[in-house]
Amino acid sequence: DIQMTQSPSSLSASVGDRVTITCRASQSISSYLNWCQQRPGKAPKLLIFAASSLQSGVPSRFSGSGSGTDFTLTISSLQPEDFATYYCQQTYSTPPTFGQGTTVEIK
Amino acid sequence: QVQLVESGGGVVQPGRSLRLSCAASGFTFSSYGMHWVRQAPGKGLEWVAVVSYDKNNKYYADSVKGRFTISRDNSKNTLYLQMNNLRTEDTAVYYCAKDKYSDSGVGLFDYWGQGTLVTVSS
Repeated sequence: DIQMTQSPSSLSASVGDRVTITCRASQSISSYLNWCQQRPGKAPKLLIFAASSLQSGVPSRFSGSGSGTDFTLTISSLQPEDFATYYCQQTYSTPPTFGQGTTVEIK
Repeated sequence: QVQLVESGGGVVQPGRSLRLSCAASGFTFSSYGMHWVRQAPGKGLEWVAVVSYDKNNKYYADSVKGRFTISRDNSKNTLYLQMNNLRTEDTAVYYCAKDKYSDSGVGLFDYWGQGTLVTVSS
């Protein structure tokens, strides 16, 4: 199975901050990398697919980049509703695997 | 709009069985691969199983292989997960999730249900 490792595991930030989360795959996964957001007590929500494609309805302050083994999720200007846990996920091979998550907390 | 509604969760003793259901609406259910993903309390997301749109292909996580069975009834727009020989480590919220692309089963989830909690405890 492909292992996905996110960093950091958690971070504290303020509204308006630029936030960057990284994700590393244990082997090359081309651009088969997705990001989802999970607010407390809620189901996950797809934000970015294929490394850099924005899912319909997702605000443009979210962006993704990377290919191969190293990927980044950027929130350009953090909003109150963005405080949540973010997961990267690979769909290069079965089983699809997730990173351990990055929790974005209010500073 | 797309809706996925899970049901069937509850408290069950180790070794017993439980069947989860996921009622789908708002899309052509028979055209999409469907998955179960779980999340243990306070933990991350773990993919469990997938069934292809035409029921011909099924894959499972090693942790549930031989104990869980995924199935679907395209005439009822419903996904199922039969869970046998449950263990305490199966305690989790179970989500059903839809593949983004038709005829696909890769696990790109564009819609998720709200989840149903399964607690395995004596």
